Amino acid sequence: DQQVKQNSPSLSVQEGRISILNCDYTNSMFDYFLWYKKYPAEGPTFLISISSIKDKNEDGRFTVFLNKSAKHLSLHIVPSQPGDSAVYFCAASEGDYKLSFGAGTTVTVRA
Amino acid sequence: DAGITQSPRHKVTETGTPVTLRCHQTENHRYMYWYRQDPGHGLRLIHYSYGVKDTDKGEVSDGYSVSRSKTEDFLLTLESATSSQTSVYFCAIRRGLAGVTSTDTQYFGPGTRLTVL
Repeated sequence: DQQVKQNSPSLSVQEGRISILNCDYTNSMFDYFLWYKKYPAEGPTFLISISSIKDKNEDGRFTVFLNKSAKHLSLHIVPSQPGDSAVYFCAASEGDYKLSFGAGTTVTVRA
Repeated sequence: DAGITQSPRHKVTETGTPVTLRCHQTENHRYMYWYRQDPGHGLRLIHYSYGVKDTDKGEVSDGYSVSRSKTEDFLLTLESATSSQTSVYFCAIRRGLAGVTSTDTQYFGPGTRLTVL
C-alpha cells in the first residue's frame, strides 16, 4: 500500500499565478520530506526538502509546508513560469536512507 | 549534476532473456539505489547498496538482482526478463545538501527505458 499519496494527477495554472501541489502520507515515522521535479526523458531532479522538525522551508519561488498532525505537505510555486511545466513527485524517508514516492502530479503552466 | 551515468539509455529485449543495466558514478558516494518508474506508481525502490558488496532489497525486488564490486558501479540484472519489467529504470546516489549536515538526499541519473517484448 502506498504510504505517500498525491491525489491530484494533474494541475493546470496560468503563468504568473500560484501552483499548489499536495501530498499526504500515512507513515508517522517519516521525518524527512522532499519534492522532485521531472521533465520527460530525464531523471528526477531535487527541488526542495523539509525536516519534520520544521513546518516551512522556502527556496526562491518554491515553498514547502508541512502539517504533521494532518500528515500533509504541500509545495507552493510563486509565480509559476512555463519552465515549471513538469511532473512533480513528493517523497518521504524515515531516516533509513530509503525514499517512498508518490505517484506524481503533472503541472502545466499556461501562457 | 551528480556525475551519474546509466547505460544503455534504451533497450528492447525479448521475454526470457537476461538483461543488465549499469549505473556509474564519479563522486565516490557510498549509497546507490535502483528504482523503476511506472505510471500511477511514481518511483519504487528495487534494490540499494550501502557499500562495495553490501546490498539490500527494496519494495519491488522480485525478479531482480544487483551487484556492486566497485564503489563507482552498481549493476541491476534481470535474470529472465518478463513483460511486467517493461519500465523506466533510474539509478540514484545519496549525498548531503551543501551546507546541511543533518539530512541527505538522493540525486538521480538520466534513466534507462527498457521494453520487454
